[in-house]
Amino acid sequence: DAMVIQNPRYQVTQFGKPVTLSCSQTLNHNVMYWYQQKSSQAPKLLFHYYDKDFNNEADTPDNFQSRRPNTSFCFLDIRSPGLGDAAMYLCATSLGFKDTQYFGPGTRLTVL
Amino acid sequence: AQSVTQLGSHVSVSEGALVLLRCNYSSSVPPYLFWYVQYPNQGLQLLLKYTTGATLVKGINGFEAEFKKSETSFHLTKPSAHMSDAAEYFCAFQRSNTGNQFYFGTGTSLTVIP
Repeated sequence: DAMVIQNPRYQVTQFGKPVTLSCSQTLNHNVMYWYQQKSSQAPKLLFHYYDKDFNNEADTPDNFQSRRPNTSFCFLDIRSPGLGDAAMYLCATSLGFKDTQYFGPGTRLTVL
Repeated sequence: AQSVTQLGSHVSVSEGALVLLRCNYSSSVPPYLFWYVQYPNQGLQLLLKYTTGATLVKGINGFEAEFKKSETSFHLTKPSAHMSDAAEYFCAFQRSNTGNQFYFGTGTSLTVIP
């Protein structure tokens, strides 16, 4: 089945130690999104790619970066994780901006 | 400004009772509206969506929602709650003219009492 895959499902890192989260899709969608979801809150959009065009939300911290080397893969890099970055990170894809977003299962990040 | 508001952060219903989760939106352009469900430690799963056409939308797992422009609402209902419906539910809004931003509501946690 076509789907959105996130690895790992659970990630533990130390304060200040860089971490990379991975998302891949078999849907051949043009748009890929990264969301941060803290406990009991709604998902918050960090950034998105339309193909190779990158769009950073205005309030996304500089500590968060993203890469999309090809259509299928998108990475979220957190350069120096702080305790406040502990959250569920959700990847989503859509064919175009006006199309339904399909979400992966998420990666739960713990910062020690 | 565009936004979506979910009334009630926690809703409890008895098994077999009607489920009603409320969502209101604010938009200057026709909206696209969505309901997603999230089970613990999982991603979001699309329940149903409204873009154009029929205002009563049927989704998966017996859920449906009705777009009411006059009331700016898109409430989610299910006639008979099942224990497996216990989850977090998010209403989401998208501008129909640009579509490049998804606005999520703050979520409603549904508890089903046996």
